[in-house]
Amino acid sequence: GAVVSQHPSWVICKSGTSVKIECRSLDFQATTMFWYRQFPKQSLMLMATSNEGSKATYEQGVEKDKFLINHASLTLSTLTVTSAHPEDSSFYICSAPGNSGSSYEQYFGPGTRLTVT
Amino acid sequence: KQEVTQIPAALSVPEGENLVLNCSFTDSAIYNLQWFRQDPGKGLTSLLLIQSSQREQTSGRLNASLDKSSGRSTLYIAASQPGDSATYLCAVTPRDKLSFGAGTTVTVRA
Repeated sequence: GAVVSQHPSWVICKSGTSVKIECRSLDFQATTMFWYRQFPKQSLMLMATSNEGSKATYEQGVEKDKFLINHASLTLSTLTVTSAHPEDSSFYICSAPGNSGSSYEQYFGPGTRLTVT
Repeated sequence: KQEVTQIPAALSVPEGENLVLNCSFTDSAIYNLQWFRQDPGKGLTSLLLIQSSQREQTSGRLNASLDKSSGRSTLYIAASQPGDSATYLCAVTPRDKLSFGAGTTVTVRA
């Protein structure tokens, strides 16, 4: 099956600094990728849709200037959390739809645990 | 706006018992429905995908049904094992943008 990787798997940073998280589709191309955030004991909330070669589409309530998304190639999307604060501490997961016929099955990365101190 | 609800929120059963997890959604105009498994602190593992034209999918001990008209899906896990302990999430999509339920956390007691 299709594989999506994320790097790093966990990161600790100081308040006010920026952190970049990478999402890669390893064996397929993804013109679209999705970024989710998950707080403890809660479900995944879609943050934004990353589009290769164009601007990302952000969900309501997500600050686009704080969560910068770059989808520079068909296999890589990056999420940069700028000027991180403790409330940004969360589990960030990306996904990409596999183009297997018409199913559009979603493949998820293993997630990145961000802790802001 | 699509809303996805999963009942129960948590479930604890003895090993060997069959599991029944429920998922309901408010907008029946879906493209497909996926069931995922999430272990603590980990990402999601896709279990089953049911396309809107299908009524069920099976994989090993897992069987998922879909009734699009009533906005419901059920995941059955036969003969549960301690290794089945995890959180199970269902998600629906109009095409490729998933809406998730809050999940059902399952504990299978040995």
